[in-house]
Amino acid sequence: DTAVSQTPKYLVTQMGNDKSIKCEQNLGHDTMYWYKQDSKKFLKIMFSYNNKELIINETVPNRFSPKSPDKAHLNLHINSLELGDSAVYFCASSQDMAGGAYNEQFFGPGTRLTVL
Amino acid sequence: SQQGEEDPQALSIQEGENATMNCSYKTSINNLQWYRQNSGRGLVHLILIRSNEREKHSGRLRVTLDTSKKSSSLLITASRAADTASYFCATDQYSGAGSYQLTFGKGTKLSVIP
Repeated sequence: DTAVSQTPKYLVTQMGNDKSIKCEQNLGHDTMYWYKQDSKKFLKIMFSYNNKELIINETVPNRFSPKSPDKAHLNLHINSLELGDSAVYFCASSQDMAGGAYNEQFFGPGTRLTVL
Repeated sequence: SQQGEEDPQALSIQEGENATMNCSYKTSINNLQWYRQNSGRGLVHLILIRSNEREKHSGRLRVTLDTSKKSSSLLITASRAADTASYFCATDQYSGAGSYQLTFGKGTKLSVIP
């Protein structure tokens, strides 16, 4: 069984569209994350959710909005897509954010977003 | 902001050789983690070393941490073709309210030639 799953795996869309990426974890973790990995493989954190509360928002444009219907899900909604949004987006989860071994992170397979 | 910097950016070795990757960081850390990313896949956690530890082993992996130099190294012994991947260090920094955030470096791309 997949611990952290994301859908879709690939997403190709036109500039200006609105799209969502879904993420689910079955590990019983309290914290979930969204990362963006650019073409140079640099991985940057976008959001962290701990028990449905947004903990970190790293200077991400407000076109990006995380939505967590419950502890096991953290979806990423993107409005008015731009060319620069093209990247691979990874969802991850950890037991909590208390530090140490508890924030070993488990990653999903990624969603490759291409904006045309 | 970026915290870890891996060195080298790319490394190519023959199967059976050892591979060493280095990571430097800028601020105090709680712990440091190493992750592997195979092409087209998500990151997989390899090993975590706490700030009060100097060395840690896991199978063919050996990680060292020198907090005085703010650096860490990952050694893969007796490399295999299946070790071909990108390797990232991630530092665990306090972000307030009892929470820690992981900041990843840019990674080292390792190619193991059969």
